[in-house]
Amino acid sequence: SQQGEEDPQALSIQEGENATMNCSYKTSINNLQWYRQNSGRGLVHLILIRSNEREKHSGRLRVTLDTSKKSSSLLITASRAADTASYFCATDASQAGTALIFGKGTTLSVSS
Amino acid sequence: EAQVTQNPRYLITVTGKKLTVTCSQNMNHEYMSWYRQDPGLGLRQIYYSMNVEVTDKGDVPEGYKVSRKEKRNFPLILESPSPNQTSLYFCASSFAGSVYEQYFGPGTRLTVT
Repeated sequence: SQQGEEDPQALSIQEGENATMNCSYKTSINNLQWYRQNSGRGLVHLILIRSNEREKHSGRLRVTLDTSKKSSSLLITASRAADTASYFCATDASQAGTALIFGKGTTLSVSS
Repeated sequence: EAQVTQNPRYLITVTGKKLTVTCSQNMNHEYMSWYRQDPGLGLRQIYYSMNVEVTDKGDVPEGYKVSRKEKRNFPLILESPSPNQTSLYFCASSFAGSVYEQYFGPGTRLTVT
């Protein structure tokens, strides 16, 4: 049951530029989370935004949530080569908080 | 250090030979889950556990078993592995369910020949 879908699938930018990734989902959610995965390694949590929140910041990360459009965006400002990774959105749409549904991810490549 | 550990990290096995992938967390988390990650399909949940002795199926439970006898451990059992279970497996835990951020293990790359 695929819920979130990231766009674009792949993104290539230069160091110092901003990177924006989008996530669309289908059903009402309790929260939406963003994760980063370096090649073949475990996922690392970046930000959690609840359904009653519209924007959240963490360092160079900015996440927005538009529940009316069922979409979220992740902005990474002043990107660095170390930001090269895959980024996933995950939605919690379950009644009992039992399952996060992950999208297929955006692969970000930052070149120096 | 707060962490989720998985063993083994890499495993090559043959069809039908039972195997167990262990998962352990040291954060006293109530919720644990297993995912598999396949190219083009993203992460899909196999099983989850809300607490000790409480487990339930995720999206792709066929061919897998789990148990949660202790809070810290959540092993994934493949009774009779098949080649379509070749995948990258992740264990994750959180304080209490999908409402909270998930902590992921480093992954187990399984190849079934």
